[in-house]
Amino acid sequence: AQTVTQSQPEMSVQEAETVTLSCTYDTSESDYYLFWYKQPPSRQMILVIRQEAYKQQNATENRFSVNFQKAAKSFSLKISDSQLGDAAMYFCAWGGTSYGKLTFGQGTILTVHP
Amino acid sequence: SAVISQKPSRDICQRGTSLTIQCQVDSQVTMMFWYRQQPGQSLTLIATANQGSEATYESGFVIDKFPISRPNLTFSTLTVSNMSPEDSSIYLCSVLTSGVYNEQFFGPGTRLTVL
Repeated sequence: AQTVTQSQPEMSVQEAETVTLSCTYDTSESDYYLFWYKQPPSRQMILVIRQEAYKQQNATENRFSVNFQKAAKSFSLKISDSQLGDAAMYFCAWGGTSYGKLTFGQGTILTVHP
Repeated sequence: SAVISQKPSRDICQRGTSLTIQCQVDSQVTMMFWYRQQPGQSLTLIATANQGSEATYESGFVIDKFPISRPNLTFSTLTVSNMSPEDSSIYLCSVLTSGVYNEQFFGPGTRLTVL
């Protein structure tokens, strides 16, 4: 079975600064997907960024980028130029290639200070 | 992407009753899932809703407690049966679109409180 671990229950950052959220996972599969989802107080889950395990290049989406270390089974999210709207719960998730269900980490609450 | 709606958005129910949550998608999707998010916790998969056949349940979840229907490719329901306060959670529907493999979109969730 897969496990996903987020060791930072809470993080905070000043507006316009950069913050990195950590995620590690464990799997015996060689091909899979990794995701970061954002859940603001409205509770709507929003996909932030997606990484295919077979790709060595780290995914980027505007101010969001990941540091994917397959051998170390690490998948961190970097948020640059943090904005007040980035404040939310962030979940790291693992997904297999033969089915769609996701395994989620415990979540990290991100606070952005003006 | 997919636009997903859930009804009701929230409800307060009495112990021992049942509640059916609806999930509607604006396009046909290959797979639909139901997740539970207990207060302050992460998401846990309840089951995969299969069109035209019985749902596939994860360990710890049973059909008698969480019956699921999926009559077509755009709609599913989850029933929380014989509720207890421990069932107080947010229940989320998600879908896997056929365009991009393994990219899931989530509904807005149903916040259930059981007294």
